[in-house]
Amino acid sequence: DAMVIQNPRYQVTQFGKPVTLSCSQTLNHNVMYWYQQKSSQAPKLLFHYYDKDFNNEADTPDNFQSRRPNTSFCFLDIRSPGLGDAAMYLCATSRVAGLTDTQYFGPGTRLTVL
Amino acid sequence: AQSVTQPDIHITVSEGASLELRCNYSYGATPYLFWYVQSPGQGLQLLLKYFSGDTLVQGIKGFEAEFKRSQSSFNLRKPSVHWSDAAEYFCAVGGSNFQKLVFGTGTRLLVSP
Repeated sequence: DAMVIQNPRYQVTQFGKPVTLSCSQTLNHNVMYWYQQKSSQAPKLLFHYYDKDFNNEADTPDNFQSRRPNTSFCFLDIRSPGLGDAAMYLCATSRVAGLTDTQYFGPGTRLTVL
Repeated sequence: AQSVTQPDIHITVSEGASLELRCNYSYGATPYLFWYVQSPGQGLQLLLKYFSGDTLVQGIKGFEAEFKRSQSSFNLRKPSVHWSDAAEYFCAVGGSNFQKLVFGTGTRLLVSP
């Protein structure tokens, strides 16, 4: 029944060591989002894909990249993680772009940077 | 800039008691308003949303919220809380000319026996 799946659920990496987080969906939705949620803070949108079109938020650091090889999968790459990148990373999907369509969230990946 | 304030970081409610979680927003036009719930180990789940029309919105799990434009508020209510309602609740705002979600920092609900 899982609709938005995130792997791994917990990821530990070292300072500066590249890391990739994975999101997959069984909903066949066109839009996939990545949010960052730091401890006791609000989830914050990093970027989203509408189909293959990539949309980066203006304040998303260059250290963060994303790939969407097909409809079902989307990856978040952090090229050189810093201690400040420790957070929960949430993936979400929606059928179409825009807020009138519900976003479905995965359970998140908690990233620890040592 | 768009923003959401959830003034209560933690709230404890006795099981069976009523609940109200506060949300205030800042948005220059007619807002789209949302409440999400995040249970431990789970993703965010949409409880309800408001775009236009009736200002009292019914959602899942017995929740409702009321949009009050004059107070820039969208408070979440439930008449009788169950232990399974213990979770973190997020209010979010967006709009027709700002098509992304801006979340508040959340309110953690604890339910006591």
